[in-house]
Amino acid sequence: ILNVEQSPQSLHVQEGDSTNFTCSFPSSNFYALHWYRWETAKSPEALFVMTLNGDEKKKGRISATLNTKEGYSYLYIKGSQPEDSATYLCAYAGGTSYGKLTFGQGTILTVHP
Amino acid sequence: GAVVSQHPSRVICKSGTSVKIECRSLDFQATTMFWYRQFPKQSLMLMATSNEGSKATYEQGVEKDKFLINHASLTLSTLTVTSAHPEDSSFYICSAARGVFSYNEQFFGPGTRLTVL
Repeated sequence: ILNVEQSPQSLHVQEGDSTNFTCSFPSSNFYALHWYRWETAKSPEALFVMTLNGDEKKKGRISATLNTKEGYSYLYIKGSQPEDSATYLCAYAGGTSYGKLTFGQGTILTVHP
Repeated sequence: GAVVSQHPSRVICKSGTSVKIECRSLDFQATTMFWYRQFPKQSLMLMATSNEGSKATYEQGVEKDKFLINHASLTLSTLTVTSAHPEDSSFYICSAARGVFSYNEQFFGPGTRLTVL
């Protein structure tokens, strides 16, 4: 059974704060790491797909880093806004998974005005 | 963007009936579609992977005779929960990908909440 852990489980921040959370995954047989944002009553939205150790990706105020050797990825949000409130999911794909993703339980972010 | 629709969004049925859930990619052709289930306070769990024109591949512990998956075209996959029971009550969500590789983004539908009485 693959273990994909996300921390913290939930997070409350004030508007304007910067924040970050962690996804840890098996370091062996790594192929890809996905990040999704899931707002209530909407479809999960793909943020990043990361494959290379040391990779860093950015989309607006959101960025992510990847360390495949130690098995973790960080997601950063700079200057959080209330519209960033959502559940952030990471998902791991192993080398022979052919697209199959193992999801973490998610980090629930609430940004207070 | 890539849009995936899923219908119905919510269904309540009696024990013993069958329920069909549709997943459609609206503006792209999906080589592969995935079906997930989420129980309360748990993560999304992959149930099965389906490729157009071939039989679905089910994850360990998922009964293929109970959860029938059909991927008849590059834009439509259906999940039928046969003879549903209260323990099948859950949130079911599909995703679609343009390719079969793990670096392909998956585009998700909004999910279906199934309640079996």
